[in-house]
This record gives sequence, structure tokens and C-alpha cells, in this order.
Amino acid sequence: DQQVKQNSPSLSVQEGRISILNCDYTNSMFDYFLWYKKYPAEGPTFLISISSIKDKNEDGRFTVFLNKSAKHLSLHIVPSQPGDSAVYFCAARRFEVQGGKLIFGQGTELSVKP
Amino acid sequence: NAGVTQTPKFQVLKTGQSMTLQCAQDMNHEYMSWYRQDPGMGLRLIHYSVGAGITDQGEVPNGYNVSRSTTEDFPLRLLSAAPSQTSVYFCASSTGYRVFGEQFFGPGTRLTVL
Repeated sequence: DQQVKQNSPSLSVQEGRISILNCDYTNSMFDYFLWYKKYPAEGPTFLISISSIKDKNEDGRFTVFLNKSAKHLSLHIVPSQPGDSAVYFCAARRFEVQGGKLIFGQGTELSVKP
Repeated sequence: NAGVTQTPKFQVLKTGQSMTLQCAQDMNHEYMSWYRQDPGMGLRLIHYSVGAGITDQGEVPNGYNVSRSTTEDFPLRLLSAAPSQTSVYFCASSTGYRVFGEQFFGPGTRLTVL
């Protein structure tokens, strides 16, 4: 049972345009949501997060939106740059679950074309 | 700080062989985890630890053992390797002092079982 789902395996965007990566979840008990970025042959690196009590969090070119009623979150990258080309994973966890137990989605590979 | 380190980077095993993947962190994090990454499956949790001497199973624990004798080290043992264990393995650490529990990942070990 996949609790966190990223239904788009890949996304191609032109440089300077907006990239929108989507993530759906089934467990309404999740309290925190995180996005990770992964380059080939490297480990994932933390990008941005959001609490379930918020509906938006912004950090520079990156904004994460959370729609709790739809159990959906999205990551917006504006403007997209070629260096943003990577695999993006969304992840979720519950507050009372001790650290070390993030549930990840399958990942979306973003390609930003110059 | 070296962060999270993993050895080896690459390993080829024959079916039935055993081996240990090493993981160490120098951030004094109490939580450590092992994930495997497979195409289309995202990152799946194998085992995790909330402190020295305490471990628990994740989503896909079968065929793997862990122990945590020190805060710094969290080795993953493959008891009798099988081709289904061909994957990229990531170790991660985190601390409860960070609200969102974001994890820091090592660079990964690419394992092939023939």
C-alpha cells in the first residue's frame, strides 16, 4: 500500500518556465511533508518542508503548497533552471512517530531544457 | 563535518554470499535509517534506529540485519544475498531537535547480486 504517491515519473520544462511537481498521500494522519532533490550518483538532499497546519511554504524559487482536503501537495519551481534537473521525492511523516521513519513517494525526474 | 559516509560505493556479490554495508555519521544524530532505492519504487525503509542499542524494522526488512552499538555507526548486514537485493542503498541520519525531522543522506552503495 503506497501511502505517498508521485504519479508522474518524469517532467520536462523549458528554462525560465514554472515546474510543478505533484504528490498525493492517503494517510490523513501525516503531520509533516518534505521534498528532497537527488542528483545521479549522490544521496538525496533536503529541499523544503511544510507542516500540515500550513497551506504554503516558500523558500526562494521553491514553493510547496498543501491541500489537506485533497491530500495533495505540490512543489513549484519558478523560474526553472538547468541545474534543477534531478529526481524529486516527496516524503511524509507523523509527529508522534520518532525520527527515522519517513515515507517516500516514487520520485519524479525533472528535466529543464536550456 | 563529513556528514553521513557509506562504504563501499560499489559491490558485486554472488547469490548466497554475505556482506556488511557500513554507515557512519559525525553529527551526533540519534536517529539513523537504511533505505533502498529501486526504479519506480522510490526510497523504501529497511531498518531504522532511534538510538544506540535500539533498532526496529521498516517496510522491507526481510534478508537484512542491523545493530547499533554506538551513536555514530549503523551497519547493514545482508545474511545471504539474493538477486532481489540488487539495489542502491542509502543510509540517513536525523535529530529530534529539527522539527520536521529532515534526514541527511549518505552518497549510497550500489549493490549487484549475481
